Amino acid sequence: DGGITQSPKYLFRKEGQNVTLSCEQNLNHDAMYWYRQDPGQGLRLIYYSQIVNDFQKGDIAEGYSVSREKKESFPLTVTSAQKNPTAFYLCASSMREGASGEQYFGPGTRLTVT
Amino acid sequence: AQSVAQPEDQVNVAEGNPLTVKCTYSVSGNPYLFWYVQYPNRGLQFLLKYITGDNLVKGSYGFEAEFNKSQTSFHLKKPSALVSDSALYFCAVRDINQAGTALIFGKGTTLSVSS
Repeated sequence: DGGITQSPKYLFRKEGQNVTLSCEQNLNHDAMYWYRQDPGQGLRLIYYSQIVNDFQKGDIAEGYSVSREKKESFPLTVTSAQKNPTAFYLCASSMREGASGEQYFGPGTRLTVT
Repeated sequence: AQSVAQPEDQVNVAEGNPLTVKCTYSVSGNPYLFWYVQYPNRGLQFLLKYITGDNLVKGSYGFEAEFNKSQTSFHLKKPSALVSDSALYFCAVRDINQAGTALIFGKGTTLSVSS
């Protein structure tokens, strides 16, 4: 988990509320990613960003939004449009140049919406 | 399209016995392959990766993996399992021509090592 922080570890929200998950890295990585993890479904990519002020949708972007104003930060907003937001959310980062670099993961945020 | 398959949801092995967690992949070009481990309510930890060269890759905690291009496989192995190896294991792939893109992950295999 070193180098990437996610806060908070646990988050509870009422249905209909937007919520923002924080992700910060001090690894000087250009690329950052958000994944959602549900039991038995592995990791599914929500959004990723290869450089500041640019990001791309992943496989399940609907109901989510991101920003990348600083290299170190890649916050994820779970909007009220997300039908099933309760999940474990993982942020990751990697070097942008070359495809051989592994991704480093944060400790995750468990979001529960009731 | 890139994809990863982990055909076993769960692998059970007795402590001291060898373990294998299976992974097959599909990419349009040549692959870079990765294994990660996840403990409950934690992020993923990197174990090892195959980039090029020797097909047998050694990683953290005594794990190794064998790349087999003809079978498009990258199975994770350990000669002698420990109870502390019990965790969720993920295989991942990236096409070598897709720099900066996200890794594609399998659905994970739960390893249970009994004492």
